[in-house]
Amino acid sequence: EVQLVQSGAEVKKPGESLTISCKGSGYSFTTYWIAWVRQMPGKGLEWMGITYPDDSETIYSPSLQGQVTISVDKSINTAYLHWSSLKASDTAMYYCARSHLDIVVPSAHFDSWGQGTLVTVSS
Amino acid sequence: DIQMTQSPSSLSASVGDRVTITCQASHDISNSLNWYQQKPGKAPKLLIYDASNLETGVPSRFSGSGSGTDFTLTISSLQPEDIATYYCQQFDNVPPRGITFGQGTRLDIK
Repeated sequence: EVQLVQSGAEVKKPGESLTISCKGSGYSFTTYWIAWVRQMPGKGLEWMGITYPDDSETIYSPSLQGQVTISVDKSINTAYLHWSSLKASDTAMYYCARSHLDIVVPSAHFDSWGQGTLVTVSS
Repeated sequence: DIQMTQSPSSLSASVGDRVTITCQASHDISNSLNWYQQKPGKAPKLLIYDASNLETGVPSRFSGSGSGTDFTLTISSLQPEDIATYYCQQFDNVPPRGITFGQGTRLDIK
């Protein structure tokens, strides 16, 4: 069974750093892309970026580039989302999702999702 | 950037009704369009990929159509368990490559 298991909820203060994780199992981790998707309270889905675990190629959303860092450790089948300095506006639910992405076709859809990590940033 | 316009933003329908949600892309995206269902407090679930392919395990009352710039998600006979928010999503492979979700359609039972 394909599973993406995310790290637990976090409560942080503005200016603090944070890394959340997403561990894949039940499939070949290095042959599917992993994306991060943000959902702010009461709002829709927003794509943040996507990484390919085999070679760590990463594509960021232009609106979020520089605000977060996406990384992956394929030796432990885990992807990460990192903030160096959190803001109150980073308060949201964050999902990782497995993606079939074919740049040539083109095609990219998310067929398996993590359970979500709630990040709350408040002073 | 490709912009996605999803409509309506909310919709009320009766059990058994045929429901249609549309998504329009600002540029031709071929058939690179997917549909998701999200229930409150849950992660999204893939329903339709590449415009018209039904994801394994999804009931056959869900279907997708369209290509180019105009796409449709149809529920042929609305069931109570279909109450959710629905999102379209596209992939643009022209640099800078990116992925965009529609604004969402909240579906309620009348």
